Amino acid sequence: QSVLTQPPSASGTPGQRVTISCSGSSSNIGSNYVYWYQHLPGTAPKLLIYRNNQRPSGVPDRFSGSKSGTSASLAISGLRSEDEADYYCAGWDDRLSGWVFGGGTKLTVL
Amino acid sequence: EVQLVESGGGLAQPGGSLRLSCAASGFSFSNYEMNWVRQAPGKGLEWVSYISDSGSTVYYADSVKGRFTGSRDNAKKSLYLQMNNLRAEDTALYYCARIGYDPDDYWGQGTLVTVSS
Repeated sequence: QSVLTQPPSASGTPGQRVTISCSGSSSNIGSNYVYWYQHLPGTAPKLLIYRNNQRPSGVPDRFSGSKSGTSASLAISGLRSEDEADYYCAGWDDRLSGWVFGGGTKLTVL
Repeated sequence: EVQLVESGGGLAQPGGSLRLSCAASGFSFSNYEMNWVRQAPGKGLEWVSYISDSGSTVYYADSVKGRFTGSRDNAKKSLYLQMNNLRAEDTALYYCARIGYDPDDYWGQGTLVTVSS
């Protein structure tokens, strides 16, 4: 059972917009930044969003993040086949004194 | 170029031990906090351990507390994870990661640990 809660799966067709939610608590999302990663198993996770809604250079603006209270979401617009991957939210937890990850959302592009 | 290269993974018996290493290059290692994150087969990412830049503070996930020990040697630019009393559920790909230094986020390619008799 992950500390941050994500839906296990999401899907969309090319060109569509999809959103992935992440629910936490006051000790993690409620008081610290949220990060989003794109991950293909067996490879290094790739940072998509940092500090709730900032994109590292090189990440397309099709990816956007938001946070409200103890929840956050990742939106992907103009869905492309190469977006098919696992997506994780993450953040620091003050009560656990450690990083916490969501359980991951497997995105399928139909 | 920042590089993190893990090593030391392999096959261990239940109750056995392994020591993972992570060699860092391309940045001032002693100035950065570091982490270990793992992914078990078919499971999600799980944070394992954090260590401060000096090595004086180490935090662990509850699942490994009392069995794993994190350390670092700043002179050798290396991070370590001593894993004792291994269990089948410790089977995973273990990543060394420099995270939280927005937006410069770096992960190694991982080293595979398999615990089986």
